[in-house]
Amino acid sequence: EAGVVQSPRYKIIEKKQPVAFWCNPISGHNTLYWYRQNLGQGPELLIRYENEEAVDDSQLPKDRFSAERLKGVDSTLKIQPAELGDSAVYLCASTGESSGNTIYFGEGSWLTVV
Amino acid sequence: GQQVMQIPQYQHVQEGEDFTTYCNSSTTLSNIQWYKQRPGGHPVFLIQLVKSGEVKKQKRLTFQFGEAKKNSSLHITATQTTDVGTYFCAGRRDSNYQLIWGAGTKLIIKP
Repeated sequence: EAGVVQSPRYKIIEKKQPVAFWCNPISGHNTLYWYRQNLGQGPELLIRYENEEAVDDSQLPKDRFSAERLKGVDSTLKIQPAELGDSAVYLCASTGESSGNTIYFGEGSWLTVV
Repeated sequence: GQQVMQIPQYQHVQEGEDFTTYCNSSTTLSNIQWYKQRPGGHPVFLIQLVKSGEVKKQKRLTFQFGEAKKNSSLHITATQTTDVGTYFCAGRRDSNYQLIWGAGTKLIIKP
């Protein structure tokens, strides 16, 4: 069974440019998370989806970040415009009843803003 | 707001020595999960504890959940180089599905 797939793995952009990350969760997982992880720190939740509904986006900086999961399967996370402080790893994760609420993470998208 | 405090931030051990990391929550948790993240990798699920006072073992790893369901620990016996990485706890509240992550404990094996 395929795991959580993310792309791109690595992205380097100049500040003020836009960037988008894509995530395809494990098949059948209704819950999808986007996390941000800075070096040496734990993951910070940005947004959680239950199917296509964003049920927790309280930590998402809505002035520059947006996310969507239109059909309740794959999801995109966008930053526009990017700032230097956005440099981090953006982790997508999914879970569902089939996995007993265990969260499975993708490899992450490593963003460097210069 | 609710926090999960994890200590220590780093632990340096000689190969063969034991390692322990502790998590403490300000509120009662419905369950707690433990993850391992290798350098350059992503968090990988290790185990979930649900019951008060629960103890689970995976080979050299022993996980405990406190009686009050506010604290947890992970103990590794006789560390090996393959144990290197950062160990995170993540607690879930009763009121919703929000998962609160500790800051992680980085296990470093001294050469």
